[in-house]
Amino acid sequence: NAGVTQTPKFQVLKTGQSMTLQCAQDMNHEYMSWYRQDPGMGLRLIHYSVGAGITDQGEVPNGYNVSRSTTEDFPLRLLSAAPSQTSVYFCASSYGQIGELFFGEGSRLTVL
Amino acid sequence: GENVEQHPSTLSVQEGDSAVIKCTYSDSASNYFPWYKQELGKGPQLIIDIRSNVGEKKDQRIAVTLNKTAKHFSLHITETQPEDSAVYFCAASKAGGGADGLTFGKGTHLIIQP
Repeated sequence: NAGVTQTPKFQVLKTGQSMTLQCAQDMNHEYMSWYRQDPGMGLRLIHYSVGAGITDQGEVPNGYNVSRSTTEDFPLRLLSAAPSQTSVYFCASSYGQIGELFFGEGSRLTVL
Repeated sequence: GENVEQHPSTLSVQEGDSAVIKCTYSDSASNYFPWYKQELGKGPQLIIDIRSNVGEKKDQRIAVTLNKTAKHFSLHITETQPEDSAVYFCAASKAGGGADGLTFGKGTHLIIQP
C-alpha cells in the first residue's frame, strides 16, 4: 500500500530554474494539498485541491503553480526558483473535509 | 484567519516521565484539533484527534484535552519511551480537517533522555 508518493526526495536548483515536484496517491482521496516546512515555521499551506479540476491557494502560494487533472496526481511547479523557496515540501491527501491527512515523505529542495 | 500557538518549542524529559505540550487557538469556530508526530526524515503522521463536542480523549499512553472556553488544548504522553522522540504538531480547523481548513502550530521537539 503506497499511500502518498513524492518525487524527487532531493533536488538542487539554481536561481531562475523551473521544476516540478510530483505527488501521487493511491487511496482515491478527493482532497490533496502541498505544504512547505521551514525551521521554526511549522507547516504552511501552499495550494490545495478538493477534486480533479479544482485548485485553490493556501497561505503561501506565490511562486508556485498547481494543477489537478486526475484524482491521483497533484504536481507542484516552481516557475522561477528563488533562494527563499529552499525548504522541505510535503504533499498530503485526505478522504474528505473531516479526518486524517496522509503525508508523503517529503521533498527537500535547495535553491542556490 | 486562525492562529495556533504551540509551547514549548523544545521539551526534554526523562524516559518514563510524562510530557505535556500545549496549544492555543484564536478562532472560536474551530471544531477539530488533531495532533501529528513527525519522525526524522519522514512526513507527519496523525496520532490522535479531538472534536469540539468532547473534552478529553485517550489512546493508550496518549491523551488530548480540550478547553473550548479558554481556547486551548493539550497533548499528554505518559510513561515516555525512546520512540516518542520526535517533533509534534498541533492543528486546528473549522472545516474538520480538510486540506484548506487546517492551521498548524510551529511544532515541539520532544527529546526523551535515557
